[in-house]
Amino acid sequence: GQQVMQIPQYQHVQEGEDFTTYCNSSTTLSNIQWYKQRPGGHPVFLIQLVKSGEVKKQKRLTFQFGEAKKNSSLHITATQTTDVGTYFCAGHRVAGNKLTFGGGTRVLVKP
Amino acid sequence: NAGVTQTPKFQVLKTGQSMTLQCAQDMNHEYMSWYRQDPGMGLRLIHYSVGAGITDQGEVPNGYNVSRSTTEDFPLRLLSAAPSQTSVYFCASSRNSGTAYNEQFFGPGTRLTVL
Repeated sequence: GQQVMQIPQYQHVQEGEDFTTYCNSSTTLSNIQWYKQRPGGHPVFLIQLVKSGEVKKQKRLTFQFGEAKKNSSLHITATQTTDVGTYFCAGHRVAGNKLTFGGGTRVLVKP
Repeated sequence: NAGVTQTPKFQVLKTGQSMTLQCAQDMNHEYMSWYRQDPGMGLRLIHYSVGAGITDQGEVPNGYNVSRSTTEDFPLRLLSAAPSQTSVYFCASSRNSGTAYNEQFFGPGTRLTVL
């Protein structure tokens, strides 16, 4: 079946530093979605990418969808304590109805 | 709009008991789904529905039943609870735009413990 892997599983970041989390699918995806889950909360949608090679920015967050539509990345610049949480990627197989999530990257920020 | 609501917030069951987790949405979304979240495992799809009267299995359907008699409600039934079903359960909904995919709106979750 379709598998979506995220690395790293944990990311300890000094406040003010940059970091990147990666998402890799075993199959070609129709889309990639990113969600953020704060500790004790529920996942909240951040963004969706659908085109090969697409790049989107949200303030300090930059999202990229790979050319082969099998991988994605999230880059955060100048990390803040508000960035604490778990970031999940998720995608649909081509013409599929099931949204498959990666295992998430848990981000901890050191002030 | 209340969005996606789930009840109860917390539940403790004994092995072998059955129960129903409730999920409702007031956004007229066609697509609804149930996920379970275990530490380090991300969100795993249990069952999903693309509209009233239509349901299908996800990655981990065993031990769970669903039905979708209305657009608004999508209850998840645990038939005979087992300790392996201890988890946090999230319900989610989204618009169904044909070939386009849309963002999922998640409920606040139900934390279930099976003793």
